[in-house]
Amino acid sequence: AQSVAQPEDQVNVAEGNPLTVKCTYSVSGNPYLFWYVQYPNRGLQFLLKYITGDNLVKGSYGFEAEFNKSQTSFHLKKPSALVSDSALYFCAVPPYSGGGADGLTFGKGTHLIIQP
Amino acid sequence: NAGVTQTPKFRILKIGQSMTLQCAQDMNHNYMYWYRQDPGMGLKLIYYSVGAGITDKGEVPNGYNVSRSTTEDFPLRLELAAPSQTSVYFCASSTGGNQPQHFGDGTRLSIL
Repeated sequence: AQSVAQPEDQVNVAEGNPLTVKCTYSVSGNPYLFWYVQYPNRGLQFLLKYITGDNLVKGSYGFEAEFNKSQTSFHLKKPSALVSDSALYFCAVPPYSGGGADGLTFGKGTHLIIQP
Repeated sequence: NAGVTQTPKFRILKIGQSMTLQCAQDMNHNYMYWYRQDPGMGLKLIYYSVGAGITDKGEVPNGYNVSRSTTEDFPLRLELAAPSQTSVYFCASSTGGNQPQHFGDGTRLSIL
């Protein structure tokens, strides 16, 4: 089965600084990779996805993610952090290669805290 | 523009009781999912459906049942509640596999 890992439970960044939330993946074949964000007491919201093509994927709220095949990574980035970016971030992948009908496998999540 | 609606938002059950968590979407999505979220564990897939009348087990289906009689509704049933089922439950829908999933705001369930 395919999987993702988020090595950091929490990331602290000062407002205005660039931010990176890390994700590594283990997949067979061409990867489908997703980032979601969860605000307190809310459901997850889709940020962006990688299917194929450009290694830099742009998404919602000014976020982007860099796909790196040699490092099997899909890190989430933003050039300048806002306090409102503080939330729980999840990386996700379909559990089986070529499929997605059977839901997503999520990482454990990374708490992003932006300090004013 | 309701999206995915889950009811109730909160519930406390006693061990052995049963209940149904409701999920409805108004986007005409064929694919629907139930996940549970436990602290520090991410989300785990319970059941999913690719269309009315079709359901299948996910990673953690034990203790749960689902049905899908219409495109819009995908209820999750707990027959004999156990403390291990204390969790936050999320319903999601999408237009297809590998497409973005739209999530409801969850049902927070405590089993005491």
